[in-house]
Amino acid sequence: SAVISQKPSRDICQRGTSLTIQCQVDSQVTMMFWYRQQPGQSLTLIATANQGSEATYESGFVIDKFPISRPNLTFSTLTVSNMSPEDSSIYLCSVEGGTTGELFFGEGSRLTVL
Amino acid sequence: QQQVKQSPQSLIVQKGGISIINCAYENTAFDYFPWYQQFPGKGPALLIAIRPDVSEKKEGRFTISFNKSAKQFSLHIMDSQPGDSATYFCAASLAIGGTSYGKLTFGQGTILTVHP
Repeated sequence: SAVISQKPSRDICQRGTSLTIQCQVDSQVTMMFWYRQQPGQSLTLIATANQGSEATYESGFVIDKFPISRPNLTFSTLTVSNMSPEDSSIYLCSVEGGTTGELFFGEGSRLTVL
Repeated sequence: QQQVKQSPQSLIVQKGGISIINCAYENTAFDYFPWYQQFPGKGPALLIAIRPDVSEKKEGRFTISFNKSAKQFSLHIMDSQPGDSATYFCAASLAIGGTSYGKLTFGQGTILTVHP
């Protein structure tokens, strides 16, 4: 299994500001995945982050809004830029692990934008 | 093509009863079908998963039934307990580069409440 730590666990931000979420994993992983869970809704993949290359974004998500860094095999950051109330969500970092490649999730970063 | 539809949205069962949650998918290229359990304030945790070469997989009280021709799969929770009360998500994926299943398409979620 993989242990994933996310910071901050929650934050309240003002419209127009940016927030960077950190994700630390206790083992080296090739790919890290960032998901968004809007209030009371399902999870949607934002992007896949490989170490040493640009993140790959899913339809509807762009690098200018959600820049991602992946400086090494155990760490990644997701920035939510120029926030609006619609960005209020839980942002989840995830990695694959185990023999079956199951996806492990962090506990998420709950973001409220006023 | 990438949707996964889940039902019901919410489910209430009595302790000891059977909880059944259903999912349907569209993309026939999907080849990995996990179920996740999420408690409030926590990230989702893998409950059980199945690949399309089998029709059923059981782990303890949890069973996945898979119907490839109908493009449907379901989660059965036997002897449901109050501690099972959580949100359940089905998901589907196809391999990235032949080995990674990290790009999951999730269903809408089912809020399960098990009354004592």
